[in-house]
Amino acid sequence: EAGVTQSPTHLIKTRGQQATLRCSPISGHTSVYWYQQALGLGLQFLLWYDEGEERNRGNFPPRFSGRQFPNYSSELNVNALELEDSALYLCASSRRKKTGYSNQPQHFGDGTRLSIL
Amino acid sequence: GIQVEQSPPDLILQEGANSTLRCNFSDSVNNLQWFHQNPWGQLINLFYIPSGTKQNGRLSATTVATERYSLLYISSSQTTDSGVYFCAVPGGGSEKLVFGKGTKLTVNP
Repeated sequence: EAGVTQSPTHLIKTRGQQATLRCSPISGHTSVYWYQQALGLGLQFLLWYDEGEERNRGNFPPRFSGRQFPNYSSELNVNALELEDSALYLCASSRRKKTGYSNQPQHFGDGTRLSIL
Repeated sequence: GIQVEQSPPDLILQEGANSTLRCNFSDSVNNLQWFHQNPWGQLINLFYIPSGTKQNGRLSATTVATERYSLLYISSSQTTDSGVYFCAVPGGGSEKLVFGKGTKLTVNP
């Protein structure tokens, strides 16, 4: 079974530019999550998509946005890049949680390292 | 929101030693995951353990949900065990994971 795949591995941008990060979930998983790991700030939740809809959003400005496609893959877009956006961006996927049952485990990709110059 | 605290923040071991990492959480949860982040940044699933005890080779984990803590045991540590160990729980009634700050483990040869 292929794991969660992310592309690109590394991305170098300058301030003010826009970045697009991509994620393909594990086959059979409908939920995709995005997390940011910036130096000194730990792992922070960004966005959650399920069945093509944004279900939850972390405490990030609107210039962080994304979408989920019919095949459940996802894009994260970051507009007007700032120096503090430099971070490792991790995507995770999981099966849909059944009502009344525990949350499903999340499985992570290898991440995209975004550097802003 | 839910708070997750991990201890110790840093741990240095000699190869072959055993260790116990702790994760405390501030509210009841129905899910808890342990991860290992290697020096290349890859976040590897170790355990999905809402309650009880699980073992996988030299690693085992125990979650006592009623007392809001989980323990990760590493036996006969190897240099490849080095990295940061995170625990994470669902937060805010949502599917999102809330992570602790991690325990940085260094295993010296």
